[in-house]
This record gives sequence, structure tokens and C-alpha cells, in this order.
Amino acid sequence: DTEVTQTPKHLVMGMTNKKSLKCEQHMGHRAMYWYKQKAKKPPELMFVYSYEKLSINESVPSRFSPECPNSSLLNLHLHALQPEDSALYLCASSRTSGGPSTDTQYFGPGTRLTVL
Amino acid sequence: ELKVEQNPLFLSMQEGKNYTIYCNYSTTSDRLYWYRQDPGKSLESLFVLLSNGAVKQEGRLMASLDTKARLSTLHITAAVHDLSATYFCAVDSSGTYKYIFGTGTRLKVLA
Repeated sequence: DTEVTQTPKHLVMGMTNKKSLKCEQHMGHRAMYWYKQKAKKPPELMFVYSYEKLSINESVPSRFSPECPNSSLLNLHLHALQPEDSALYLCASSRTSGGPSTDTQYFGPGTRLTVL
Repeated sequence: ELKVEQNPLFLSMQEGKNYTIYCNYSTTSDRLYWYRQDPGKSLESLFVLLSNGAVKQEGRLMASLDTKARLSTLHITAAVHDLSATYFCAVDSSGTYKYIFGTGTRLKVLA
């Protein structure tokens, strides 16, 4: 099973709201990722967690706050977002992180976020 | 800084024709990935290429890797409408967790 699940599928929020995106995988993967994808563009890496610890933050604004409560779950907490943050947010996971093995990243279906 | 370029950016082709998408990258990398994305959907893993000269095939798609030329190709044989999608290559940045994605190639197969 190579499934990564994400909830919600769609989210509309105002600039003063606080919301969270959730990602889950049960493949035993120890690396998890958040990406942001704008229309007709490639995904842009935001955060990487390895063994439940934040290992990469690609200079993402603090209004995005990631959290990895355990090895299967990854959250992205959103607060005071701007309309330009509207995008598809993709979660991914991979078996290892930086090792010699095949580190294919498996992507979830994404959350379509609209900020009004 | 690792850069990944794809061409063409957009490809419109007739059913039954063959074509190749190119992925060039700027620095040494051990792994190259190809993904497919349908409109509004997530990314589906197609191929992982791990070494120089690697070739993998699945149905009408064949991917190859030349690490010396820093080039990967995705060859489409006898295209069908169902292959219409955006195809991304991604390069592993020196064994880190980071993928650097190419710009993507939007493929449209016309009946």
C-alpha cells in the first residue's frame, strides 16, 4: 500500500482564521514533506521531517507552522494567511532520508486551499 | 545550486505518434524520478532511475538516464489520449531529502 492521505480536500479560510491540514501515512516511512504547488508550476518544497524532527525549512513564513506528532502523522497549522497563499498543498512521504536506498516520494491527493 | 530544466514545456501530439521529453540537470545526482500529474490531482510516481545507463519501461513510456550528460529522457511510443497529463522530472539533491523538480511538460494527445 503506497497511500498517503490528506484532509481536508478543500479549504476556504479568511485571513484571520486558524486552520490545520492533516497528512497520514502507514507505510512506515520516516521522512515526510510539505509542498506548495501553484497552478501550472512544479511543487515547491516547504518542510521536511525526518524521524519526527524538522530537518529542512525552506524559509517558509511563520504563518505556516508544521508539526509531526508521530511517525505517521504530519500537520500544517495555518494562521493569518494571505490570498497569495492560495494553492494546492501536497504532503509526501519516503522510506528513508538521504540514504543510499531508493527514496521515492509518495504524494497525497493534496488540499486545495483558498484564502479570501 | 541544482537546477533542473525540462523541454518542451508544452507538447501537443497526435495519437499514434512518438515523442521524447528531455530533462537536464546542472550538478551531479545519483537519482532521477519521473512523475505524472493529472489536472487538479496529485503526483503519481512513474520511474526511479538510479544509475548511468538505467532504462525503465512501463507500457508506452520509457525513461532513461545518462548521468555523464546529466540528461534523462521520457520517450512516448504510439501516444494515446490517456497519456495527456503534466510530466515532471525531479532530481535528488546530493542524497539529501530534497527533490528539485523540473518545470514540467504539459502533454496533450489529440485524437
